[in-house]
Amino acid sequence: EAGVAQSPRYKIIEKRQSVAFWCNPISGHATLYWYQQILGQGPKLLIQFQNNGVVDDSQLPKDRFSAERLKGVDSTLKIQPAKLEDSAVYLCASSLSGGLVTDTQYFGPGTRLTVL
Amino acid sequence: AQSVAQPEDQVNVAEGNPLTVKCTYSVSGNPYLFWYVQYPNRGLQFLLKYITGDNLVKGSYGFEAEFNKSQTSFHLKKPSALVSDSALYFCGSSASKIIFGSGTRLSIRP
Repeated sequence: EAGVAQSPRYKIIEKRQSVAFWCNPISGHATLYWYQQILGQGPKLLIQFQNNGVVDDSQLPKDRFSAERLKGVDSTLKIQPAKLEDSAVYLCASSLSGGLVTDTQYFGPGTRLTVL
Repeated sequence: AQSVAQPEDQVNVAEGNPLTVKCTYSVSGNPYLFWYVQYPNRGLQFLLKYITGDNLVKGSYGFEAEFNKSQTSFHLKKPSALVSDSALYFCGSSASKIIFGSGTRLSIRP
């Protein structure tokens, strides 16, 4: 079974530029998650989709971050404009069912973003 | 408010010795706790989770965790450490929100 795919793996941009990350979840997984992991910290949930609807985006900085999951499969996370404090690893995860609290999440390798 | 704490930034153990990585929680109701491991430049890998029932949960790679409601803890354990267990370990909860602890770096010396 193929895992969660993410691209690019690394990205370096200047502050105030825009950047987009892509995630393709495990086939058949209804729920998709985006996390931000700052160096030395645990992952922080940014947004959770169930199919193509948003379940939780309470920690997404909506003035600069946006995410979409068209057709309920792959997803993109965008930052516009980027700030220095956005430097982090952005992790995508997916789970099989409709967002049950007991669902096991499967993580992709992440995208490491450096904002200069 | 829901929270998870990993009180140790780093744990050092000799190969072959038992290991414990600590996790405490503050959650109302069932805490739905889990452990993940992260190797360098890789995503998180699932180890185990507590939903309900038996307080001793067995997981991947020989790891287990004990849920202790009175001490609000969910420590990760392994009877005999391997050098390959060296990695970053995260405890978390998915009760009302999905949250992770700050992580504990486990270092196993040969």
